[in-house]
Amino acid sequence: AQTVTQSQPEMSVQEAETVTLSCTYDTSESDYYLFWYKQPPSRQMILVIRQEAYKQQNATENRFSVNFQKAAKSFSLKISDSQLGDAAMYFCAYRSGEGGGADGLTFGKGTHLIIQP
Amino acid sequence: DVKVTQSSRYLVKRTGEKVFLECVQDMDHENMFWYRQDPGLGLRLIYFSYDVKMKEKGDIPEGYSVSREKKERFSLILESASTNQTSMYLCASRGQGTGANVLTFGAGSRLTVL
Repeated sequence: AQTVTQSQPEMSVQEAETVTLSCTYDTSESDYYLFWYKQPPSRQMILVIRQEAYKQQNATENRFSVNFQKAAKSFSLKISDSQLGDAAMYFCAYRSGEGGGADGLTFGKGTHLIIQP
Repeated sequence: DVKVTQSSRYLVKRTGEKVFLECVQDMDHENMFWYRQDPGLGLRLIYFSYDVKMKEKGDIPEGYSVSREKKERFSLILESASTNQTSMYLCASRGQGTGANVLTFGAGSRLTVL
């Protein structure tokens, strides 16, 4: 079974600074997908960014980018120019690329990101 | 936008009660999921369904059952609620295919069992 580990229960960053959230995963598969989800205090979980394992290029979405190190099984999220609205729980998630596609995601335990004004 | 609607944001029930948590999605998605979220434990998959009347156990199915009579609706049932089922429950849906299809979540249902 795959596991996802987020080693930072909580992170704090000053507004406008850059912060990196860590995520490692364990899998024997070669085909898979990785995601970062954000859960603001309102509780609606939303997708931040996703990465296909077969792609070497790191995904980016505006101020959000990932550092995907496949050999090290590491998938960190970098948030540049942090804003107050970035404050949330962030979850790293894994999905197998094998099988019928009906399976769910495996989530890490989350990192609580605090933005200091 | 895909919308996943969970019928109740907050519920308070008593031990032994039967509890229904309802989830409806409006994008004709084949796959639907129920997760449980607890502080320090992240999200854990309870059950999922890939078609009407089909269901599969997730990682923590004990004490729960599900029902999918219509494609758009996926219900989580606690036959006899217990205090250790006090939690946040998240429903999600996703379309078919093995690509990086995104899970779309509902707003969550916070259940307290007294």
